[in-house]
Amino acid sequence: EPEVTQTPSHQVTQMGQEVILRCVPISNHLYFYWYRQILGQKVEFLVSFYNNEISEKSEIFDDQFSVERPDGSNFTLKIRSTKLEDSAMYFCASGAMAVRTDTQYFGPGTRLTVL
Amino acid sequence: AQSVTQPDIHITVSEGASLELRCNYSYGATPYLFWYVQSPGQGLQLLLKYFSGDTLVQGIKGFEAEFKRSQSSFNLRKPSVHWSDAAEYFCAVRNGNQFYFGTGTSLTVIP
Repeated sequence: EPEVTQTPSHQVTQMGQEVILRCVPISNHLYFYWYRQILGQKVEFLVSFYNNEISEKSEIFDDQFSVERPDGSNFTLKIRSTKLEDSAMYFCASGAMAVRTDTQYFGPGTRLTVL
Repeated sequence: AQSVTQPDIHITVSEGASLELRCNYSYGATPYLFWYVQSPGQGLQLLLKYFSGDTLVQGIKGFEAEFKRSQSSFNLRKPSVHWSDAAEYFCAVRNGNQFYFGTGTSLTVIP
């Protein structure tokens, strides 16, 4: 069964450094998403991406965040200058469609630790 | 505003016992509801979803959930829990492109 994959599984970085989290969505999916989960809190939506542009983003997704689909298979989340509060589990998801009945398929997550 | 509440942070059940995980939602229109499970080191795996029609939906791994509009609930159930069901369970409602998740319920299964 096809699945979403994410690398690395755990990333440790110093505050102020840039990080790039990588995701490989399911191959025939067209819609891509990033979520994050701060320890002990809810999974929160960050951004959705379709046709090489952001279609929706939350208040969390400020100017320090960016997303890119650099080739036909990868989908990345970049955090330009990490802050302590960026420490969280980051989940990538993909979906075949954007309709409300569609399922989003999630990857295993990347745990980001900012020191 | 849409939101999901999972009142139970942690539940412990004996293997073979029945299970019910609670989920309450707040949503203005017809909700599109999902249950996901997350095992350690794994992604969020879809268990089941509700869009319309029959209010009792069947999912994978023997799970089912019942949508009750009058109670704004979408509780997950399993008649007989297996040790492999120990995991974190998330209820979610979809609004547009966004999923809104509950805080999760951690399930421990004891022999």
